[in-house]
Amino acid sequence: DVKVTQSSRYLVKRTGEKVFLECVQDMDHENMFWYRQDPGLGLRLIYFSYDVKMKEKGDIPEGYSVSREKKERFSLILESASTNQTSMYLCASKGGRAGELFFGEGSRLTVL
Amino acid sequence: AQTVTQSQPEMSVQEAETVTLSCTYDTSESDYYLFWYKQPPSRQMILVIRQEAYKQQNATENRFSVNFQKAAKSFSLKISDSQLGDAAMYFCAYRSAGYNNDMRFGAGTRLTVKP
Repeated sequence: DVKVTQSSRYLVKRTGEKVFLECVQDMDHENMFWYRQDPGLGLRLIYFSYDVKMKEKGDIPEGYSVSREKKERFSLILESASTNQTSMYLCASKGGRAGELFFGEGSRLTVL
Repeated sequence: AQTVTQSQPEMSVQEAETVTLSCTYDTSESDYYLFWYKQPPSRQMILVIRQEAYKQQNATENRFSVNFQKAAKSFSLKISDSQLGDAAMYFCAYRSAGYNNDMRFGAGTRLTVKP
């Protein structure tokens, strides 16, 4: 089975702190994604990556950056956390016949 | 841009009954994929069922089936013989063909199963 592991299930940070969310997949997938999930809004794409050291902006990249130094690892960075970034963050990698996504368990971030 | 609409924020069903979750999408493309994902409370999102747009036959996975109406751009999920473990958020998703295209999600439907 594909396994996508997110480093932290729950985080509490203060406004202005730098936040790292890490994601690792074990299926050698090329494509990885970071989504943000908010009630009533579904999943919104923040950033994605087709390959090592490559990144593309999604729909809501403002306030975020990403890093992909190794194929299996895709990190989401909040340079200066703000309260409006309190949310659930989901990492996914793409595989399968139809290019379906395999998700991690999610990281629930609270910014105070 | 493609959009996915789930018009039912919440649904409930009695255990052992059948429920249908609605999804519509907007696209000008002819080749694409549609998905239903399930997110149980505090657990990770998993794929329930997928449908290739070029296939006329509706996909089925055990108690889960879809009603894919390409002309109407509709993709509903039917859950038969509902079980308590079916309680979850369900998300409809769209991805156009071309492997590097990203996936678009609806806002989700929260399904409650009553014993």
